[in-house]
Amino acid sequence: EVQLVESGGGLVQPGGSLRLSCAASGFTFSIYAMSWVRQAPGKGLEWVSAIRGSGDSTYYADSVKGRFTISRDNSKNTLYLQMNGLRAEDTAVYYCAKPLVVVTAYFDCWGQGTLVTVSS
Amino acid sequence: VLTQSPATLSVSPGERATLSCRASQSVSSHLAWYQQKPGQAPRLLIYGASTRATGIPARFSGGGSGTEFTLTISSLQSADFAVYYCQQYDNWPPWTFGQGTKVEIK
Repeated sequence: EVQLVESGGGLVQPGGSLRLSCAASGFTFSIYAMSWVRQAPGKGLEWVSAIRGSGDSTYYADSVKGRFTISRDNSKNTLYLQMNGLRAEDTAVYYCAKPLVVVTAYFDCWGQGTLVTVSS
Repeated sequence: VLTQSPATLSVSPGERATLSCRASQSVSSHLAWYQQKPGQAPRLLIYGASTRATGIPARFSGGGSGTEFTLTISSLQSADFAVYYCQQYDNWPPWTFGQGTKVEIK
């Protein structure tokens, strides 16, 4: 069974940092590009970042570029999102998402999400 | 930019619902639809504009290409009341989502 389990969310002050993790199982993690997608309370979905299976290419939404860093450890089947310089508008549930097919970007598997709250 | 309409759709069980997603530039057929219920992660319904994902009932159908897309639910059941999002994966990054259409019980 394909499974994604996020962790690392919590309450952080503006300007602070947090690292999210996503543990993957049930599929060949290393060949899939993976993404982070977030959802602010009561709002819609926003793609945040993606990384190719090999980890050699990364992509970011303009809203997080320069502040967030996506990475992966294929030996541990784990995806990460390092978030620095956090702002109130980064408050959201963060989901990791797996594409249906290796080279595509529509997502057939999502984690349960981890809540990040940025507030003083 | 993807624009979904209407923002809210009030439908009675058993009726047909048609949701719209318009792209500001052509995305070919690279469009997906998701369903999201409160407190849950999104679920993939449709990809390639018209292909149902595994396990998705036949009452869900997608259509369109280029800039105009529709998601049709032929006969609404209680489990279908949710928020629906479209997503383009043609012009990337970024991959973008519409703002969502809430389907509620009339």
